[in-house]
Amino acid sequence: GQNIDQPTEMTATEGAIVQINCTYQTSGFNGLFWYQQHAGEAPTFLSYNVLDGLEEKGRFSSFLSRSKGYSYLLLKELQMKDSASYLCAALDSNYQLIWGAGTKLIIKP
Amino acid sequence: GAVVSQHPSWVICKSGTSVKIECRSLDFQATTMFWYRQFPKQSLMLMATSNEGSKATYEQGVEKDKFLINHASLTLSTLTVTSAHPEDSSFYICSAPRLADYNEQFFGPGTRLTVL
Repeated sequence: GQNIDQPTEMTATEGAIVQINCTYQTSGFNGLFWYQQHAGEAPTFLSYNVLDGLEEKGRFSSFLSRSKGYSYLLLKELQMKDSASYLCAALDSNYQLIWGAGTKLIIKP
Repeated sequence: GAVVSQHPSWVICKSGTSVKIECRSLDFQATTMFWYRQFPKQSLMLMATSNEGSKATYEQGVEKDKFLINHASLTLSTLTVTSAHPEDSSFYICSAPRLADYNEQFFGPGTRLTVL
């Protein structure tokens, strides 16, 4: 079956760095997305990886290892507004998104 | 980035009534749109894939006759919740992929449905 695993909840301190991990098992693979979702709002796109390696975009970076079925989202210089849920989603061979349950990130002052 | 709109953003209705939710791609054509439902503190659950000019594809466990989907044009898909009940109260989100280099999905802002 297809499956996405990510931690349910993480806590970090303002100004620090946090890494949110995601492992996936899908029928075929056409890339991995990270989305940010604030409570009561729709998800917003953060990153997309289809090749192995690290993609850096400002304070956020995303890493992919296809051989390990593993990705992580790295958030630097954390701000209070980064408190949100972070959703990992893999695109399978039918170009359908398989969603993780999301990681709730709590930022403390 | 591309824009997807949803209307209404929230709706409150009585049990037994029907509610229509519209999803529009504003600056690109979408032959496919996805309808999701999200319950509090849970992730997105794909309900159905809406295909322009053909029948929608429903996920297992989603009632076709209850959740009517019509993809009338390349920029509009509608979801009608028929005979709504309190358990249908949820956050409904549509998305549309723009077939660019990586099939990024653009989400509508969501519709909060409350059935009394």
